[in-house]
Amino acid sequence: DQQVKQNSPSLSVQEGRISILNCDYTNSMFDYFLWYKKYPAEGPTFLISISSIKDKNEDGRFTVFLNKSAKHLSLHIVPSQPGDSAVYFCAAVLQGAQKLVFGQGTRLTINP
Amino acid sequence: DAGVIQSPRHEVTEMGQEVTLRCKPISGHNSLFWYRQTMMRGLELLIYFNNNVPIDDSGMPEDRFSAKMPNASFSTLKIQPSEPRDSAVYFCASSLRGGGSGNTIYFGEGSWLTVV
Repeated sequence: DQQVKQNSPSLSVQEGRISILNCDYTNSMFDYFLWYKKYPAEGPTFLISISSIKDKNEDGRFTVFLNKSAKHLSLHIVPSQPGDSAVYFCAAVLQGAQKLVFGQGTRLTINP
Repeated sequence: DAGVIQSPRHEVTEMGQEVTLRCKPISGHNSLFWYRQTMMRGLELLIYFNNNVPIDDSGMPEDRFSAKMPNASFSTLKIQPSEPRDSAVYFCASSLRGGGSGNTIYFGEGSWLTVV
């Protein structure tokens, strides 16, 4: 039972355009969400997060949107750059818990 | 500052052999996590420790898997006997206060395990 789902295994976007990565979750008790980025042969690194009391958080080119009623969050990258090519993992934290539950990941490729 | 350090980076072993993966968390962090990455399930939490004590091992797949944290600066994940389906990338991660809301967890570079 995958509580956090990233239904798109891969996404290809042209440089300069917007990249939108999606994530769905099933547990309404998740109260904090994160995105991690992973390059080949490296560990995942933290990118951006959002609390369930917000619906948007922005950090430079990266914006995360949260739609609690739909149990959906998305990561927007604009403009996309070649260095953004990586695997992106969505993660969620249960209220009061200490562990992150990750999705399967989406491989983003930015084409020049 | 040193990040999370894992060893070995790559391990190829024969089915039935014992495998030991090692991790040194970031100094001062009191929570340590072992994750496994597979194509089908992404990053799965196997076990995590707070202050060297195992808190949640519900993700450990079978009795063949065991993890220890004898002190604040060292942890091991052991698979005995290993099977081909254990082939995956195993990540160790640490955080300052458990990785919950607002607490970023930091990952090592992973140990690539292949069981043949």
